[in-house]
Amino acid sequence: QKEVEQNSGPLSVPEGAIASLNCTYSDRVSQSFFWYRQYSGKSPELIMSIYSNGDKEDGRFTAQLNKASQYVSLLIRDSQPSDSATYLCAVNRDNYGQNFVFGPGTRLSVLP
Amino acid sequence: KAGVTQTPRYLIKTRGQQVTLSCSPISGHRSVSWYQQTPGQGLQFLFEYFSETQRNKGNFPGRFSGRQFSNSRSEMNVSTLELGDSALYLCASSSIPGTSSNSYNEQFFGPGTRLTVL
Repeated sequence: QKEVEQNSGPLSVPEGAIASLNCTYSDRVSQSFFWYRQYSGKSPELIMSIYSNGDKEDGRFTAQLNKASQYVSLLIRDSQPSDSATYLCAVNRDNYGQNFVFGPGTRLSVLP
Repeated sequence: KAGVTQTPRYLIKTRGQQVTLSCSPISGHRSVSWYQQTPGQGLQFLFEYFSETQRNKGNFPGRFSGRQFSNSRSEMNVSTLELGDSALYLCASSSIPGTSSNSYNEQFFGPGTRLTVL
């Protein structure tokens, strides 16, 4: 089992729809979780961080964390063509430093 | 605030050579991490430096090494290059925990160095 797994893509949604991206992790001691967006040929860009169980909203993005189920998700409301990218889930295994494990990514296509 | 900068942006080397990549973190950030990204393996953690000390290390051979300077700038070195080392090498910086309650552990990536080994 890989440490961080994401739903396989590509995921296609029509413009204006909700895109749902899922991620599971295996290390129960992990305390911090992140979603990055990566456009083709570019470096990852931080979208959201979440540390506590529940939902965290930022504009059109909502991250959800369930530590008991070892599950993190990202919802993108009112999806736009500009949201088309690869979304990477990341888990930090170190509570004091940086020891990130990234999932393989889910490629999202938002169709006009 | 200026972002993370990496130099050079592109490199072409031949097998057996060595290479040094440089990273300047966001001003005030003291933690610098390095990653290798390939189509087959995805984004993999190499190591993290904090206050000039390696604090975490990924599962890479000893040919991959790094260091950090007193101004938090970091370099990574790959010796005896192999074809499989061709990748995008990314540097990310973060502030130390406690400096901001909303930015704990958040990492910000530089543009990367594209290394091609022939």
